[in-house]
Amino acid sequence: SYELTQPPSVSVSPGQTASITCSGDKLGDKYACWYQQKPGQSPVLVIYQDDKRPSGIPERFSGSNSGNTATLTISGTQALDEADYYCQAWDSSTVVFGGGTKLTVL
Amino acid sequence: QLQLQESGPGLVKPSETLSLTCTVSGGSISSSSYYWGWIRQPPGKGLEWIGSIYYSGSTYYNPSLKSRVTISVDTSKNQFSLKLSSVTAADTAVYFCARYVVVIANFDYWGQGTLVTVSS
Repeated sequence: SYELTQPPSVSVSPGQTASITCSGDKLGDKYACWYQQKPGQSPVLVIYQDDKRPSGIPERFSGSNSGNTATLTISGTQALDEADYYCQAWDSSTVVFGGGTKLTVL
Repeated sequence: QLQLQESGPGLVKPSETLSLTCTVSGGSISSSSYYWGWIRQPPGKGLEWIGSIYYSGSTYYNPSLKSRVTISVDTSKNQFSLKLSSVTAADTAVYFCARYVVVIANFDYWGQGTLVTVSS
């Protein structure tokens, strides 16, 4: 079965750039998306179709997807960006989520 | 604004069947552009896709759960439902329903989630 691998945790200082990776076999051939989830809340789509931002998502969120790796980049990270982030793709008639990355802003 | 709301028992006994319903408001479940899905999240853990359904009744299931899962749709009520049989403590989780955009392969609207605990 298809797997997406994320680092369990990433730390960033306020105002700096955070990068979260998501790895999967030939992931660049599929659409990747990213969700942000804060404690006790439902996931929120922050990037879809590799690099597109839904309405209402700040410009500091960006995405890329090539080869075997999709990357979520948060520029000028703010304290309110501290959350869990999940990548997701579709493969062989199944929805696959990455294991999630806890972003800490300190 | 589209809204999804999960409903169902918060406590299920081991070996019994977990049943949840998702009610969609602010839009039609019969739209040709979307599937409707169930996702769960055990306490402190990550997201796990359970399965998705089209308004016609076509379904896709997570292979690891397929033998125990049934997802159905009631277009007259704008609802879709989940049944998970033979539950154990490992099925304790927050269960979310969400709308899946087929052509770009992502969930764009989510319900608030409902905690289901499996315990005697």
